[in-house]
Amino acid sequence: EPEVTQTPSHQVTQMGQEVILRCVPISNHLYFYWYRQILGQKVEFLVSFYNNEISEKSEIFDDQFSVERPDGSNFTLKIRSTKLEDSAMYFCASTPGLGADTQYFGPGTRLTVL
Amino acid sequence: AQSVTQLGSHVSVSEGALVLLRCNYSSSVPPYLFWYVQYPNQGLQLLLKYTSAATLVKGINGFEAEFKKSETSFHLTKPSAHMSDAAEYFCAVIRPNSGGYQKVTFGTGTKLQVIP
Repeated sequence: EPEVTQTPSHQVTQMGQEVILRCVPISNHLYFYWYRQILGQKVEFLVSFYNNEISEKSEIFDDQFSVERPDGSNFTLKIRSTKLEDSAMYFCASTPGLGADTQYFGPGTRLTVL
Repeated sequence: AQSVTQLGSHVSVSEGALVLLRCNYSSSVPPYLFWYVQYPNQGLQLLLKYTSAATLVKGINGFEAEFKKSETSFHLTKPSAHMSDAAEYFCAVIRPNSGGYQKVTFGTGTKLQVIP
């Protein structure tokens, strides 16, 4: 069964450094999402992406964040200058297209900012 | 805007006992509702979903949930808990037909502990 994959599984970085989290959505999916889960808290929506554009973003997704689909398979989340409070599990998700209701989640990348 | 409320951040049941995890929703339009499970150090796995068809929905691993509009609830149940059910469970909602893309709104999660 096709699945969403994410790399790396765990990223440790120093405060102020740039990080790029990578996701490979399911191949025929058209809509892509990033979510974040701070330890002990609920999963929060960050951004949705379709047709090489951001469709919607939350208030969390400020100028430090950006997303990109650099090629036909990868979907990336970049944090330009990491802060301690960016430490969280980041989940990528995808859906096939219009009217699809189920988002398929990847296993997550645990980001630790020191 | 839609939201979900999960009652009880921690639930403990004995192995073989009934599992009941509560979720109430708030939505201006009939929502689509989901239960996801997260095992330790793993991602989110879809357990089941309600998308306006049958109100009683069966999912994987023997779980089911019933959509009750009158109570705005979507509680998750399993007749007999198994040790392997120990995990965190998230109720979630989306607004259907919102233009193709959606954002999932999650509840705060309920950690299920199964006692031998």
